Amino acid sequence: DTGVSQDPRHKITKRGQNVTFRCDPISEHNRLYWYRQTLGQGPEFLTYFQNEAQLEKSRLLSDRFSAERPKGSFSTLEIQRTEQGDSAMYLCASSPSAVGYEQYFGPGTRLTVT
Amino acid sequence: DAKTTQPTSMDCAEGRAANLPCNHSTISGNEYVYWYRQIHSQGPQYIIHGLKNNETNEMASLIITEDRKSSTLILPHATLRDTAVYYCIVRVADFGNEKLTFGTGTRLTIIP
Repeated sequence: DTGVSQDPRHKITKRGQNVTFRCDPISEHNRLYWYRQTLGQGPEFLTYFQNEAQLEKSRLLSDRFSAERPKGSFSTLEIQRTEQGDSAMYLCASSPSAVGYEQYFGPGTRLTVT
Repeated sequence: DAKTTQPTSMDCAEGRAANLPCNHSTISGNEYVYWYRQIHSQGPQYIIHGLKNNETNEMASLIITEDRKSSTLILPHATLRDTAVYYCIVRVADFGNEKLTFGTGTRLTIIP
């Protein structure tokens, strides 16, 4: 399968712990996006990369959140000092650089903070 | 990006056409209409998009009214696998406007 992959699929952590998620985009896609989805809501944009450059960050991305895409391929999203409010599905998507191209989403990582 | 309004939920009988409406009365001339769906426990899946002409692909048809203030997504022969939340998104297709802004969508249930 050559779609977007995310790891892990599920993560349970205790409040105050740090967690890191990984996203592997479709190989020829230059753009990579992170979204967060809470129960009953649509996904909310967090940040996106064009190759290794992080070009936009939402105000939802507090200073406890950091995202990287060091070599322009896979990306990681780290949450430090997790809080119960961080419990959500974290979705990654990728797309080519062409304007208006659709985004292809991965299956998501479900985070539960206890 | 313009705001969209969709019904919270809809039912459709299996084998019939499912017609999902979306209002986007404040849409601008350079904004496209995109449709995504999200099957339970999966990431969203792109369905179709259009600017002002009607569009059709292997998954669905998109009908946009002449004034572009509303649109309808049509699944011609709904199957049980089409049960999902369907999101209508209006977006300027331009550099610097990359994010998708999802609402709460329409929960479509296909009835056997």
